[in-house]
Amino acid sequence: DTGVSQNPRHKITKRGQNVTFRCDPISEHNRLYWYRQTLGQGPEFLTYFQNEAQLEKSRLLSDRFSAERPKGSFSTLEIQRTEQGDSAMYLCASSWRGTNEKLFFGSGTQLSVL
Amino acid sequence: GQQLNQSPQSMFIQEGEDVSMNCTSSSIFNTWLWYKQDPGEGPVLLIALYKAGELTSNGRLTAQFGITRKDSFLNISASIPSDVGIYFCAGRGSYGQNFVFGPGTRLSVLP
Repeated sequence: DTGVSQNPRHKITKRGQNVTFRCDPISEHNRLYWYRQTLGQGPEFLTYFQNEAQLEKSRLLSDRFSAERPKGSFSTLEIQRTEQGDSAMYLCASSWRGTNEKLFFGSGTQLSVL
Repeated sequence: GQQLNQSPQSMFIQEGEDVSMNCTSSSIFNTWLWYKQDPGEGPVLLIALYKAGELTSNGRLTAQFGITRKDSFLNISASIPSDVGIYFCAGRGSYGQNFVFGPGTRLSVLP
């Protein structure tokens, strides 16, 4: 068990460019969550998957954001036409679905849009 | 939607002191999770609570699931410098929902 892995750790991009982040969950976990966190705030929910199905998306998730989990293992989060307001830490968490669910987070991807 | 409040927003304590912080919700929750986050890192799970009234310890940390199911408490005993960080509570109202996070309590420990 190597924990939740996120790549890259840091990404600097220019406004208008597309970026993609990857998350590799803990291997036996069937749920995967994406959160966004800005400085001084708690994580804000974006979306989550159970296996390959995307079960819920936040209203915060504009149509420039898309997430996939094609084989129920790793997930990608893509942001198209980035804006300066997209600058944040993007956190991925995984869990095993059940009544005693608990989320385990990766180290995050810090995005800076110039 | 569901919102969480955390109190205090920040606190400064002397090394060796005990710490108490709480988290309140506008609605009933069935799960509470407590996390610690260091700068530039993801949150690390400290304690998970699943039943009203439940009291769970993890070393010097103790957390409780409030009996109203609208609050939770975290206590740290005999604080040490490595306790410095931001403590977040997270909760959800039902098993199919996502987890909502509070704004955090920033803890500073003075030597």
